[in-house]
Amino acid sequence: TQLLEQSPQFLSIQEGENLTVYCNSSSVFSSLQWYRQEPGEGPVLLVTVVTGGEVKKLKRLTFQFGDARKDSSLHITAAQPGDTGLYLCAGAGGSGTYKYIFGTGTRLKVLA
Amino acid sequence: DADVTQTPRNRITKTGKRIMLECSQTKGHDRMYWYRQDPGLGLRLIYYSFDVKDINKGEISDGYSVSRQAQAKFSLSLESAIPNQTALYFCATSRNTIYFGEGSWLTVV
Repeated sequence: TQLLEQSPQFLSIQEGENLTVYCNSSSVFSSLQWYRQEPGEGPVLLVTVVTGGEVKKLKRLTFQFGDARKDSSLHITAAQPGDTGLYLCAGAGGSGTYKYIFGTGTRLKVLA
Repeated sequence: DADVTQTPRNRITKTGKRIMLECSQTKGHDRMYWYRQDPGLGLRLIYYSFDVKDINKGEISDGYSVSRQAQAKFSLSLESAIPNQTALYFCATSRNTIYFGEGSWLTVV
C-alpha cells in the first residue's frame, strides 16, 4: 500500500515567517502534486512535479521533488494570512498509472 | 458552471438507509474517482474508474459501491449507511491533473 506522510500536521506561524512542509513515502511516484484546500471546498492544484530533483516556483512557493521521486517539499517564503489553508500532496503511481494517493495534510494558519 | 458537479451537496440520512451520491463531468476525461475526507484530514480513495468498463477498489472500499453509467457519470452508493461514514465526499476526474467537485457533505445519524 502506498502511503504519503506529511509533516508537520499543524503549523501556526506569524506573517512574514518562512516555513517548509514535507511529504514523504517509501514508494516511488511517477508524479507528485501539491494542492491547497479552503474550508468547504475541493482541493485546488498548485503544482505538479514529474522529474526527480525538479524544483518549481510559484511566486513565494517553492516546490521540490526528491531525486528518487519518493518525497517532496513545499517551502513558503514570507508567509501571508492568505496562505492559510490545508496543504495536500498527492502522488500518482509509477508505470504510468493514475491512481492518485493523497497525503495526510498539513493545516497552516498564518497570523497577521 | 462547474466542470465536475456533485449531487446532493448536503445530505442527512439515517443509519441503515441506502444513499447515492452522483457525479457528472464536462471535461471529457476517462478517469474518475471518489474520495472521502474526514475533518482536518487528507483524502482517502474509495473507488476509481479509468473508463466505462473499468472499476477498481481504492484504499477504503468496504461499505461502498460505485457505478460508471457513462464516461461523464460516476455514482457512489452506500448500501446501508453507518455513522462512521459521516464525511465529506469528493468526486474527481483526471487526464494528467485531477479536478475535484465541490464536495458532498454526508451525515449519517
